[in-house]
Amino acid sequence: AQSVTQPDIHITVSEGASLELRCNYSYGATPYLFWYVQSPGQGLQLLLKYFSGDTLVQGIKGFEAEFKRSQSSFNLRKPSVHWSDAAEYFCAVAGSGGSYIPTFGRGTSLIVHP
Amino acid sequence: SAVISQKPSRDICQRGTSLTIQCQVDSQVTMMFWYRQQPGQSLTLIATANQGSEATYESGFVIDKFPISRPNLTFSTLTVSNMSPEDSSIYLCSVGESTEAFFGQGTRLTVV
Repeated sequence: AQSVTQPDIHITVSEGASLELRCNYSYGATPYLFWYVQSPGQGLQLLLKYFSGDTLVQGIKGFEAEFKRSQSSFNLRKPSVHWSDAAEYFCAVAGSGGSYIPTFGRGTSLIVHP
Repeated sequence: SAVISQKPSRDICQRGTSLTIQCQVDSQVTMMFWYRQQPGQSLTLIATANQGSEATYESGFVIDKFPISRPNLTFSTLTVSNMSPEDSSIYLCSVGESTEAFFGQGTRLTVV
């Protein structure tokens, strides 16, 4: 069974500082990996996804993530955080073998200090 | 990409009553899903809404509590029946298109 671990429940950063949110997954084959963002009172918006190819993927809003198979990780990064990035971030994994249903991590709440 | 409209966006309901949540998609999609997001928690899949047949429920969720309809390829409803305060959550509709999931804005349900 596939699973996702986001070890950090909360992350606090200062505006302008760099950010890294951790994600580890468990899946028996090649996974599809995703990062979603949920702003307060909103649904989920896809930031980026990895299917194959280049292990460093670029997303919207200046985010990027790197797939590391050896570490079963897909960490999300941003070089300079803006106050508007404060939100809940969810990592998700889905099977590459057909029926697509993602499994989500518990989420990391990002707090941005001015 | 699919655009999903979900109604209502929020509601406060009395315990013992039922609420039906609607999900409308702007294009025909094969797979529609319903998720629950309890306070401070991640998303948990409730069921897959199948067009023309009964929904497929995940472990811990039953049709009597969460009946689902899927009359066509663009619409689905989820009913939360006989509600209790433990049902207070955000309920999200999702569609799977190619290799990406799209989400509605969710229905924030509070049961008092």
